[in-house]
Amino acid sequence: AQRVTQPEKLLSVFKGAPVELKCNYSYSGSPELFWYVQYSRQRLQLLLRHISRESIKGFTADLNKGETSFHLKKPFAQEEDSAMYYCALSWGGSEKLVFGKGMKLTVNP
Amino acid sequence: DTGVSQDPRHKITKRGQNVTFRCDPISEHNRLYWYRQTLGQGPEFLTYFQNEAQLEKSRLLSDRFSAERPKGSFSTLEIQRTEQGDSAMYLCASSLLAGGNEQYFGPGTRLTVT
Repeated sequence: AQRVTQPEKLLSVFKGAPVELKCNYSYSGSPELFWYVQYSRQRLQLLLRHISRESIKGFTADLNKGETSFHLKKPFAQEEDSAMYYCALSWGGSEKLVFGKGMKLTVNP
Repeated sequence: DTGVSQDPRHKITKRGQNVTFRCDPISEHNRLYWYRQTLGQGPEFLTYFQNEAQLEKSRLLSDRFSAERPKGSFSTLEIQRTEQGDSAMYLCASSLLAGGNEQYFGPGTRLTVT
């Protein structure tokens, strides 16, 4: 079955430090990978997806099919990056999303 | 249009009662999804509609759950004979068929079954 694993539940860093939020997936075909973010008291929203290959709010993520990973990175974290981050996978045109359990990022001043 | 809306935002019910939730998607979006999220977990897919057709249902969706989208606009999710295990956040999302699967989420309905 398709699965998304976010191995760490919590990450706490200081402002200006680099961050990497890990995401691994299991799917043998060609997946579509996403990162969703939920800021405090806000709804879940799309941060970025691998097909667009964009940098959003300084975040980037590269799909590594060999390692089945889609890690989210930012070189210099900001306090406003503090949020819950979810990695998600869809495949085969079904469009439904399979989410990881999420990771809470805290950026301290 | 302020995005996906859900009603009610909170619902407390007693075990055995029926509850119904409503989701209003972004107006031009033809796909609508329901997810359920419990504490410490990511959202889990329940079902989705393309226009008024229900195209897929998860095995999580027992026969006590039913979802409809009668006119291809708003959707309802009904849970019959609620159980304590149904306590969760129920999320609705919508997307455009040709929108690259960017799903826009609502604020959710938090259900507590006592």
